[in-house]
Amino acid sequence: QVQLQESGPGLVKPSQTLSLTCTVSGGSISSGNYYWTWIRQHPGKGLEWIGYIYYSGSTYYKPSLKSRVSMSVDTSKNRFSLKLNSVTAADTALYYCAREGSNGEFDHWGQGTLVTVSS
Amino acid sequence: EIVLTQSPGTLSLSPGERATLSCRASQSVSSRNFAWYQQNPGHAPSLLIYGASNRATGVPDRFSGSGSGTDFTLTISRLEPEDFAVYFCQQYGSSPPTFGQGTKVEIK
Repeated sequence: QVQLQESGPGLVKPSQTLSLTCTVSGGSISSGNYYWTWIRQHPGKGLEWIGYIYYSGSTYYKPSLKSRVSMSVDTSKNRFSLKLNSVTAADTALYYCAREGSNGEFDHWGQGTLVTVSS
Repeated sequence: EIVLTQSPGTLSLSPGERATLSCRASQSVSSRNFAWYQQNPGHAPSLLIYGASNRATGVPDRFSGSGSGTDFTLTISRLEPEDFAVYFCQQYGSSPPTFGQGTKVEIK
């Protein structure tokens, strides 16, 4: 059973960079059949797709976040990462990593990690 | 990007009743690229339905999905206590993938 686990600081200062890592277990990130995705949920709100990375390193980001987002993958450690720079209070959210399945649906999710942007 | 509008915002029902949740897209979405998720408090969303009508692994058959084009429906035939949660629709046929704002199914 594939499991995903987010890790990273829970508090980031405004204008700094949010950095999170998602470690995948129970399956290889290099299997080639999936996209590895970041999704966030503002408190009490809906879900916002941030972007994905393929095991080869190719990426696609949400256009409105593209200028601030970067993702990377470390296949040797079976994990992938998110960086979001120049954060503001509007970036305070629960951040999830997820696996995008063969039909495009998100079939496995991490438990989520709350990131608060505050000085 | 495609906007998904879910209705109602909150559905108040009793266990054993039937729940019908709607999701309307701002433009046509392929049925192949449409999903529903369930989210319980303090937990990540979990996939219920993909391809508009296919139940994900382990999902009970009281959950069913239907629809095409711009109108999609999630039906829970008989509500069980564990079904009281928030449900999100999602499209992934047009980038970026987008989600509805959610429907909360609460105990009446």
